[in-house]
Amino acid sequence: QPVLTQPPSSSASPGESARLTCTLPSDINVGSYNIYWYQQKSGSPPRYLLYYYSDSDKGQGSGVPSRFSGSKDASANTGILLISGLQSEDEADYYCMIWPSNAVVFGGGTRLTVL
Amino acid sequence: EVQLVESGGGLIQPGGSLRLSCAASGFTVSSNYMNWVRQAPGKGLEWVSVIYSGGNTYYADSVKGRFTISRDSSRNTLYLQINSLRAEDTAVYYCARSDAFDIWGQGTTVTVSS
Repeated sequence: QPVLTQPPSSSASPGESARLTCTLPSDINVGSYNIYWYQQKSGSPPRYLLYYYSDSDKGQGSGVPSRFSGSKDASANTGILLISGLQSEDEADYYCMIWPSNAVVFGGGTRLTVL
Repeated sequence: EVQLVESGGGLIQPGGSLRLSCAASGFTVSSNYMNWVRQAPGKGLEWVSVIYSGGNTYYADSVKGRFTISRDSSRNTLYLQINSLRAEDTAVYYCARSDAFDIWGQGTTVTVSS
């Protein structure tokens, strides 16, 4: 199973933007996959945020604010979750996910701290 | 309301078996991809299994041969039969809908311990 690499932690101040990354292994091209993102707050199940394939193929979860957005950096083989206008309620763990075949792979998660 | 409710978890001895259930409302289980995901204490998410709308099933290598995913259309319910339980199977088990995992249940806790 491939490994999706996420930084264990990240932090930013309220009102700032947070850029969370999800790096795919070199043998899997980020351009070929939907990148899914989930938010998990302490003691709660994960919440679906969005998926991103391209600017013309993306989707937002129900009720997810538009300040959550996805993108890709092909040069780094990385999926990106951008959270703009950070709020204290955004403090949570964030996971990326892909379906490389008939199996699913989650990243290890990034704990976002809103300072 | 679209909702998933898991049940069936508990404290079980190593080598034992459990059947987890995931009751769906507001949509049809058999028309969707349905997944099981687990989360060990203090750890990240680990995908366990999927059943496609067509009935094909797939498993993570860590559970292949021990876990079986199934569904009952008449009850609109997803199941996970877990056998030969090991300490490392201790986790909260979630069911989740679709290829986007867009709806999650609250989870049911499985603790494997003697």
